[in-house]
Amino acid sequence: GAVVSQHPSRVICKSGTSVKIECRSLDFQATTMFWYRQFPKQSLMLMATSNEGSKATYEQGVEKDKFLINHASLTLSTLTVTSAHPEDSSFYICSARTYSGEATDTQYFGPGTRLTVL
Amino acid sequence: AQSVTQPDIHITVSEGASLELRCNYSYGATPYLFWYVQSPGQGLQLLLKYFSGDTLVQGIKGFEAEFKRSQSSFNLRKPSVHWSDAAEYFCAVGPPGGGNKLTFGTGTQLKVEL
Repeated sequence: GAVVSQHPSRVICKSGTSVKIECRSLDFQATTMFWYRQFPKQSLMLMATSNEGSKATYEQGVEKDKFLINHASLTLSTLTVTSAHPEDSSFYICSARTYSGEATDTQYFGPGTRLTVL
Repeated sequence: AQSVTQPDIHITVSEGASLELRCNYSYGATPYLFWYVQSPGQGLQLLLKYFSGDTLVQGIKGFEAEFKRSQSSFNLRKPSVHWSDAAEYFCAVGPPGGGNKLTFGTGTQLKVEL
């Protein structure tokens, strides 16, 4: 149980285009999903917290107009990188939070999406 | 502000040897504690977690971790390492009462020599 998928796993795009990444919780409902960015050989940096049916909460320094997050259902959140530039190239990882009591409060991570902007 | 320190950036052990990965945290109260493992180009897999109760926690793949409140530590251990354990290991903390906004350590890269 607690499987999270991401699609696509890898994407290459031209500078100036937009890219959408999907994050799905496959066997549970997630009221909260998180989007992280990971630079090579570094830790995960939280970008935003996505709550179903409401606006995402962005971390300081993350451009909300560049990284659009939609959490339209309890099993799907999307991250759209708008007008992508080479500096947006990175590994993007989502997670989904389970919660049915304190002991179950855990984030499960997707396999990540490698974005390369040419 | 909360922080997580993983003092060892790289660790190399021989297959079959024991392993201990260190994790220290700074938090106002006892946080939720997690260990995740990441293989190259992959997402993170949860190894184990501590919320409360028994301070020795058993996880998957033969890993265990011990919470020591007095030392603000949550070290990960494995009695006998397998070559397939080579990966990046991340310690993370979350606020007590809710797993929101995990704070991750910088990770420890484990290399296993055959």
